[in-house]
Amino acid sequence: QIKLVQSGTEVKKPGASVKVSCKASGYTFTSQHINWVRQASGQGLEWMGWMDPKRGNAGYAQRFQGRVTITGKTSITTAYMELSSLRSEDTAIYYCVTMGESVTWGQGTLVTVTS
Amino acid sequence: QLVLTQSPSASASLGASVKLTCTLTSGHNNYVIAWHQQLPGRGPRFLMKLNTDGSYTKGDGIPDRLSGSISGAERYLTISSLQSEDEADYYCQTWDTGIWVFGGGTKVTVL
Repeated sequence: QIKLVQSGTEVKKPGASVKVSCKASGYTFTSQHINWVRQASGQGLEWMGWMDPKRGNAGYAQRFQGRVTITGKTSITTAYMELSSLRSEDTAIYYCVTMGESVTWGQGTLVTVTS
Repeated sequence: QLVLTQSPSASASLGASVKLTCTLTSGHNNYVIAWHQQLPGRGPRFLMKLNTDGSYTKGDGIPDRLSGSISGAERYLTISSLQSEDEADYYCQTWDTGIWVFGGGTKVTVL
């Protein structure tokens, strides 16, 4: 059974960076991309980018280019999403998601940006 | 540009059926989509992948009363025998090389 377990709640000040982790299990980590999706309170789902654990490359949604970095460490089957220059509008729940035959969501990580 | 359009809301009575629509932008008819459910206060849950031939593959534990279908650029999720626990937001999602796209979501209310 594929499982994605994310790191815990984060509270950050404007201008800071946050790094959220996503531990994968139940499948071959290098066989599926990991994507990151966020959701602000009361809003819809917003895709941020992807990472290919096999090749080590990543791609990002245009609106996050230059501010987001998605990486992975295959030895510990963990993916990371780092978002920099945080502002209050980045307050949201961040999800890692993987898609093979089906789609598996992490449990979500609340990131609050507040002064 | 690849865009998915969903109606913001839908409602139906307990025990009835509701059919949700997700429309692909013109020229993008041949895309597989996924449907996800988000219960109030919870994270999204994968429901099914809906193929371009109308076949679908459901996630673990998804009941038979949920089904998918297609017509041209439209993708549907039908929930039969509507129950109170079906009250949720439903999102469609698709993908192309290097991008994912989500619809705006449909809030389903059970009357």
